[in-house]
Amino acid sequence: DAGVIQSPRHEVTEMGQEVTLRCKPISGHNSLFWYRQTMMRGLELLIYFNNNVPIDDSGMPEDRFSAKMPNASFSTLKIQPSEPRDSAVYFCASSLNPYSNQPQHFGDGTRLSIL
Amino acid sequence: AQKITQTQPGMFVQEKEAVTLDCTYDTSDQSYGLFWYKQPSSGEMIFLIYQGSYDEQNATEGRYSLNFQKARKSANLVISASQLGDSAMYFCAMRELPTSGTYKYIFGTGTRLKVLA
Repeated sequence: DAGVIQSPRHEVTEMGQEVTLRCKPISGHNSLFWYRQTMMRGLELLIYFNNNVPIDDSGMPEDRFSAKMPNASFSTLKIQPSEPRDSAVYFCASSLNPYSNQPQHFGDGTRLSIL
Repeated sequence: AQKITQTQPGMFVQEKEAVTLDCTYDTSDQSYGLFWYKQPSSGEMIFLIYQGSYDEQNATEGRYSLNFQKARKSANLVISASQLGDSAMYFCAMRELPTSGTYKYIFGTGTRLKVLA
């Protein structure tokens, strides 16, 4: 079975550019999570969706960040304009049921470098 | 205050021996869940084991077991018969439901485990 698929795996871009990260959750999972991992701050939850609806976006750092989930099989995380401090590994995860013992299954992450 | 505390930034263990990775948590909720994930150097996050706050027995999954002490608010991961492939970063995580009514998911800072041959 295919796991959570993220693209691109690596992204290097210049400050000020728009960055779009993509995620395809596991089929049948109804919850999707976006995380950011840095050495300084560890793993932080940015936003999560349940049945395509954003439930908690309190972790989104600022208005430059936005996330959408137009359907059950696709989500995007967009940064506009990007800044060097946004450099991190961004993970997408999905789960069958976020409120039980069902774990979150993570994608391989997108390593983002903003120059 | 930290919600999830992993006090061991790094640990060493001899191959074939058991090792315990510590995790303490802070919550006022009665219903919560605790998870452990493994992150090898390749970067992916791998789910290992889950413990619910109402589970009376400690969770086990193969060589992994969770030493859950609810009164002490600790959920330590025990890896038995360590293997070289167990060398990785290990994260403890909690799912809780605060008064705001929105589930929260918090990860600890991780413990880097190195298994020695």
